[in-house]
Formats: sequence, structure tokens, C-alpha cells
Amino acid sequence: ELKVEQNPLFLSMQEGKNYTIYCNYSTTSDRLYWYRQDPGKSLESLFVLLSNGAVKQEGRLMASLDTKARLSTLHITAAVHDLSATYFCAALTSGTYKYIFGTGTRLKVLA
Amino acid sequence: NAGVTQTPKFQVLKTGQSMTLQCAQDMNHEYMSWYRQDPGMGLRLIHYSVGAGITDQGEVPNGYNVSRSTTEDFPLRLLSAAPSQTSVYFCASRPLDNTEAFFGQGTRLTVV
Repeated sequence: ELKVEQNPLFLSMQEGKNYTIYCNYSTTSDRLYWYRQDPGKSLESLFVLLSNGAVKQEGRLMASLDTKARLSTLHITAAVHDLSATYFCAALTSGTYKYIFGTGTRLKVLA
Repeated sequence: NAGVTQTPKFQVLKTGQSMTLQCAQDMNHEYMSWYRQDPGMGLRLIHYSVGAGITDQGEVPNGYNVSRSTTEDFPLRLLSAAPSQTSVYFCASRPLDNTEAFFGQGTRLTVV
């Protein structure tokens, strides 16, 4: 059964610094997704990664996928306070339509 | 477009009561699902559906029932509420091509 793990669970960083959130999954997965959740709010889609080596960038966020290592990363460049949120990855269970979420990484960017 | 609409937004139940959480989407998505979100545990899949008349269990289905009579609606039923079902519930929908999912605003349920 597919398991998805994220680390770190909590991340406090200074504005202007770079950091990476890691998402590992346990079995073959066809796709990897990243979502953002602000406190008390719903989830918003950030990236959909479709294949090995896929890289997508939006502003200060860049996501990549290595299917051989079963690893996706979300890299934050020059963090700003507005990026404070909880970030979730989710992997699609191969051969099915359901996807499983990681536990989330709560990011706090300090001014 | 309204997207995914969940009702109610907040609910307090007594142990043993039953209720239905409503979810409706207007994007003609085949896939709909219910998740619960608990602190430190991320989102866990309860039930999902790939079309009208087709449902399947997720990671934590016990204590919940679903049905899918139309493409638009996917209600979640709690037959006999327990304190362990206190959580925030999210409904999501997406096309079957497995592109991004769209989430409702959530229902915060407290069982006392």
C-alpha cells in the first residue's frame, strides 16, 4: 500500500533564505502533486508532476520529481513571509485513481 | 463557477447521532473523494468515487458511508457519530485524467 512521507514536519526560516521540503513515497506512483493550505482554509493546487525528471516552477517555488528514487522536492528560493503555509504532497496510487497525502510541512517564514 | 461546495461549514453532534455532509461540484468531474484532516496526520482518504454508481473505500472508511447517484453530488454519511470522528472534512473532485484536484472549503465537525 502506498505511503507518503514528508520532512520536515515543521520549518521555521528567515526571509531571504533557501530551503527544500522532501516527499518520499513507498511504491510506484504515476504522478505527484503539491498543494498549499493557509490556516483555516482549503487546499490550493501548486504543481502536478507527471513523469520522471519533471520540474515545474512558479515564483519562488520549484518542484521536481525523481521516480526512480521515489522522491519529490519542493524548493523555496529567497523565502518571503507570504509563503508561510502548510505544504502537502500527494502521490497517485499506480493503476488506480486514488491519491494519498503526506502529513504536511508547516512552513513559517520569519521577517 | 462555484467549484466544489460543501455544507455545512460547522457542525456539532452528540455521540450516536447521524448526519450527512453534503458535497456538490459543477465541473462535471468524474472523480470525487472525501478526506479527513487531523493535526499531525495530513489528509486521509475516506471514500472515493469514479462515477455515478461507483464508490470504493479509502484509507479510513470505517464509520462512514457514501453513495453517488449523480455526477454532481457525493454525500458522506456518519451513521452513529463517535468522538474519534471529530475532524475537518474535505471533499475534492477532479477529472479522471488525474490532473489537479479541487477542494471544497471544508466542514469542521465536533462530536461530543
